[in-house]
Amino acid sequence: DVKVTQSSRYLVKRTGEKVFLECVQDMDHENMFWYRQDPGLGLRLIYFSYDVKMKEKGDIPEGYSVSREKKERFSLILESASTNQTSMYLCASSTQIYSNQPQHFGDGTRLSIL
Amino acid sequence: GQNIDQPTEMTATEGAIVQINCTYQTSGFNGLFWYQQHAGEAPTFLSYNVLDGLEEKGRFSSFLSRSKGYSYLLLKELQMKDSASYLCAVSSYGTASKLTFGTGTRLQVTL
Repeated sequence: DVKVTQSSRYLVKRTGEKVFLECVQDMDHENMFWYRQDPGLGLRLIYFSYDVKMKEKGDIPEGYSVSREKKERFSLILESASTNQTSMYLCASSTQIYSNQPQHFGDGTRLSIL
Repeated sequence: GQNIDQPTEMTATEGAIVQINCTYQTSGFNGLFWYQQHAGEAPTFLSYNVLDGLEEKGRFSSFLSRSKGYSYLLLKELQMKDSASYLCAVSSYGTASKLTFGTGTRLQVTL
């Protein structure tokens, strides 16, 4: 079974802090994704990566950056956290071997910015 | 751009059948996924359609009509554990098979 592991289930940070959310997958997947999920807005794509050191902006990249130095790890960075970044953050991965393989999700990190 | 619509909430009775609809508008359509998400948990993959027609998988079936931009998820013999949100997501051509998600349909199964 695919395992996508996010470093924290719950995280509380203060406005202006630099925040790192880590995601690791164990299936040698090429693609990795970061989403945020908010009530009434659904899952929205922040950034994604289709290879090591490659990254592309999703639909809502403002205020975020990402890092993919190793294939199995994809980090989301909030450079200067703000209260409107309080949300549930979900990481996902998928393979490129066959087209349209499903994305597999981690359990999520519920981030609160005070 | 892409636009995906699904009802916000539905209620159904244990043992019944429920149909959750999803309509979409997209360029470069490359398949539609359904995910199930229980409260506080990760979304899990249910089904995938890229050709028109019905895909059956146990109690769950998914239908696609590409010409109408329409899909539905059919849940039969409802169980209490089926109470969850159901997410419709559309894949488009391009790098990494990006998905665009609808806002989800929260299904409540009652006795």
